[in-house]
Amino acid sequence: SQQGEEDPQALSIQEGENATMNCSYKTSINNLQWYRQNSGRGLVHLILIRSNEREKHSGRLRVTLDTSKKSSSLLITASRAADTASYFCATLQGAQKLVFGQGTRLTINP
Amino acid sequence: NAGVTQTPKFRVLKTGQSMTLLCAQDMNHEYMYWYRQDPGMGLRLIHYSVGEGTTAKGEVPDGYNVSRLKKQNFLLGLESAAPSQTSVYFCASRGTGGRTEAFFGQGTRLTVV
Repeated sequence: SQQGEEDPQALSIQEGENATMNCSYKTSINNLQWYRQNSGRGLVHLILIRSNEREKHSGRLRVTLDTSKKSSSLLITASRAADTASYFCATLQGAQKLVFGQGTRLTINP
Repeated sequence: NAGVTQTPKFRVLKTGQSMTLLCAQDMNHEYMYWYRQDPGMGLRLIHYSVGEGTTAKGEVPDGYNVSRLKKQNFLLGLESAAPSQTSVYFCASRGTGGRTEAFFGQGTRLTVV
């Protein structure tokens, strides 16, 4: 079974709006990571948040982590057409096993 | 710096045939992973390796075997391909330590007919 479950599965917004994606997981983690996948391509790492951190920023990205609820959110501010992609959360279980969720398909409409 | 390279990029197999997918990384990473991606299923972990000569099962290991004879290479084998193994396969590598990101290859699109 998948460790990370993203919500929503698909999201369509207008350019300039903010996009929020959520991820829930089931077991204890060392860190949680977010990745982006453009159609037909490999995944690219966006941002990592450790289990003892609550919030992290990188450019237009903001990630939060709530270990008590076993959930994380990714916020993309001021969205652009180029942000259209699938976004995945991944949890590192122990120091070795990297498990991904089902992903959120984000479409930015110009 | 090539990063993670997967070969081949595309392949069509007949049911029952065998093949090996090669993943090569030039970043001296300890950890390597094989995933499959199916529509609506995200990425599912098939097998992974924590170092040369070691392998471990992931979430969906049945029907696949792996080997890590050299640190830079991680091979995924299908001994007797089945239509259910039609998928896009991704390899990834990661360095040691809990903070490091994974680097992905461009994927292998496999069709079993």
